[in-house]
Amino acid sequence: RKEVEQDPGPFNVPEGATVAFNCTYSNSASQSFFWYRQDCRKEPKLLMSVYSSGNEDGRFTAQLNRASQYISLLIRDSKLSDSATYLCVVNWAAGNKLTFGGGTRVLVKP
Amino acid sequence: DAGVIQSPRHEVTEMGQEVTLRCKPISGHNSLFWYRQTMMRGLELLIYFNNNVPIDDSGMPEDRFSAKMPNASFSTLKIQPSEPRDSAVYFCASSASWFQFFGPGTRLTVL
Repeated sequence: RKEVEQDPGPFNVPEGATVAFNCTYSNSASQSFFWYRQDCRKEPKLLMSVYSSGNEDGRFTAQLNRASQYISLLIRDSKLSDSATYLCVVNWAAGNKLTFGGGTRVLVKP
Repeated sequence: DAGVIQSPRHEVTEMGQEVTLRCKPISGHNSLFWYRQTMMRGLELLIYFNNNVPIDDSGMPEDRFSAKMPNASFSTLKIQPSEPRDSAVYFCASSASWFQFFGPGTRLTVL
């Protein structure tokens, strides 16, 4: 079983719609959680951290469920520019080593 | 502000040749990471350094791969000899905390 698992998608989303997807992690000792965004042929970039109480950044909402060991990302009012691969990222080791999921591809269409 | 700098951006080489990838982390960041990304395996951590010292190299595929960080502003990843299965995008990232900032990557093709 992979340490961090994601549905690879693609999620085909009409412009303006809402899309949500999850990521599961295997290590219950996981400490920190993030979502990164990666555009085609570009480097991953930090989108947002995920806090235990859930957090929101504009149209993006992240949630953490420690009991079920998953995190989620919700995108409201999808824009064409939201088309990308979203990488779920977990830290559980001492130090700042991160483990990346395989990514969920989102395609927003007009 | 300059981000993480990697060179070359693209490298095409023949099997058996030595390949050296270079990285300059963001000034002030004390951790540096080398990743490899392929369609099949996704993003894999190869090795990371804290304060120029290798901490975890368990992701290095085999002895053909080596990495060095002679000072806080420079690191290299070397593959010798290279093989076609090494073809991938190699990313360098640096951090001062939990957040890692990635360079643009080196796209390596081994023929």
